[in-house]
Amino acid sequence: SQKIEQNSEALNIQEGKTATLTCNYTNYSPAYLQWYRQDPGRGPVFLLLIRENEKEKRKERLKVTFDTTLKQSLFHITASQPADSATYLCALAPSNTGKLIFGQGTTLQVKP
Amino acid sequence: DADVTQTPRNRITKTGKRIMLECSQTKGHDRMYWYRQDPGLGLRLIYYSFDVKDINKGEISDGYSVSRQAQAKFSLSLESAIPNQTALYFCATSDETGADTQYFGPGTRLTVL
Repeated sequence: SQKIEQNSEALNIQEGKTATLTCNYTNYSPAYLQWYRQDPGRGPVFLLLIRENEKEKRKERLKVTFDTTLKQSLFHITASQPADSATYLCALAPSNTGKLIFGQGTTLQVKP
Repeated sequence: DADVTQTPRNRITKTGKRIMLECSQTKGHDRMYWYRQDPGLGLRLIYYSFDVKDINKGEISDGYSVSRQAQAKFSLSLESAIPNQTALYFCATSDETGADTQYFGPGTRLTVL
């Protein structure tokens, strides 16, 4: 069956450290993978997109990698801040469907 | 003003009642989506529409219906609400040229007693 999985356990880190979140998928061949941030009680907000032919994408303190052989994406936040505390969702787009499949999300807590 | 708006933001209703959740967007996107979010289950797609004349069922459409009244408006109805439809509901839009990046509304918290 097709699955997209993120660590269900919350990730707690100290301010200034690098947070690394994982997204694994099975039985998909996504054209691209996206990462969203969601704050409590609010809608997800798009952060980054990486295409199947890209290994890495950066935006300010954010970095995303995409390994189609391992079927895994890693999402890094460097120099983390308490304001980065939120739930982060990965989503993939099976080719030519116009839909996104979302993971369950991983909650990140950055402590001062 | 917000690009994607949802009304109401909160609603408490009783079992068996008909409920309509409304979504409007000013982004000019053709594609619109309705999701529900439950703790531990993530976002699940209920219905989606790629243009005014196109309506498609998503992963969990049973018990729901939709109407695409215009490019900018997409409403979700619960014909006869039941308690397990208690959830957070999100509307989203996307531009077909934008790799399906989705723009979400603020959500509607629905409680069915």
